[in-house]
Amino acid sequence: GAGVSQSPSNKVTEKGKDVELRCDPISGHTALYWYRQSLGQGLEFLIYFQGNSAPDKSGLPSDRFSAERTGGSVSTLTIQRTQQEDSAVYLCASSLAGGGHQGTQYFGPGTRLLVL
Amino acid sequence: GQQLNQSPQSMFIQEGEDVSMNCTSSSIFNTWLWYKQDPGEGPVLLIALYKAGELTSNGRLTAQFGITRKDSFLNISASIPSDVGIYFCAGRETNSGYALNFGKGTSLLVTP
Repeated sequence: GAGVSQSPSNKVTEKGKDVELRCDPISGHTALYWYRQSLGQGLEFLIYFQGNSAPDKSGLPSDRFSAERTGGSVSTLTIQRTQQEDSAVYLCASSLAGGGHQGTQYFGPGTRLLVL
Repeated sequence: GQQLNQSPQSMFIQEGEDVSMNCTSSSIFNTWLWYKQDPGEGPVLLIALYKAGELTSNGRLTAQFGITRKDSFLNISASIPSDVGIYFCAGRETNSGYALNFGKGTSLLVTP
């Protein structure tokens, strides 16, 4: 079956521009996560959606970052007024539910963002 | 969340050798996961562990959930060139519920 898909796979933008990154989770997965991976680093949690509950935004690094999940499926991560330090790989993951065995997260291929 | 302490940072070995890497946390975890990431790809789940002391194998890979619930290790036996990649440990704190904490990764290079 289809895994998590993300688009675009690569994005180059100029400092100050807004970008939108898209994630399509595995069908039937109610939980969706966004992570950021900087060069040579592990993954940094950004935001978590679970069903119709209010998202956990505790990992968002600034108010320039926001995310939506429409209809409990596709999610969009938006970065406004991009800065060079926003350059990273943005990874999306989904899981059946939020914790335990059903919380095992499966990752998409990521979007590589470069801010010039 | 906390950054997990993963070691070694990198390994350069010959084909056929065994590999061992580990991860420690400062708090108790209820889940340990091991992922492999190839260049330009997202992390792929290798092994998931949910109980203290649990030992699980996936082909040539074996991982264990430490008894203290603050550590885990991953072993790869008889390494082959396609084992090359970055291996990440990830864990979930007992009171966290969902967000994963990640190590910085172990970069593995295997020479034929």
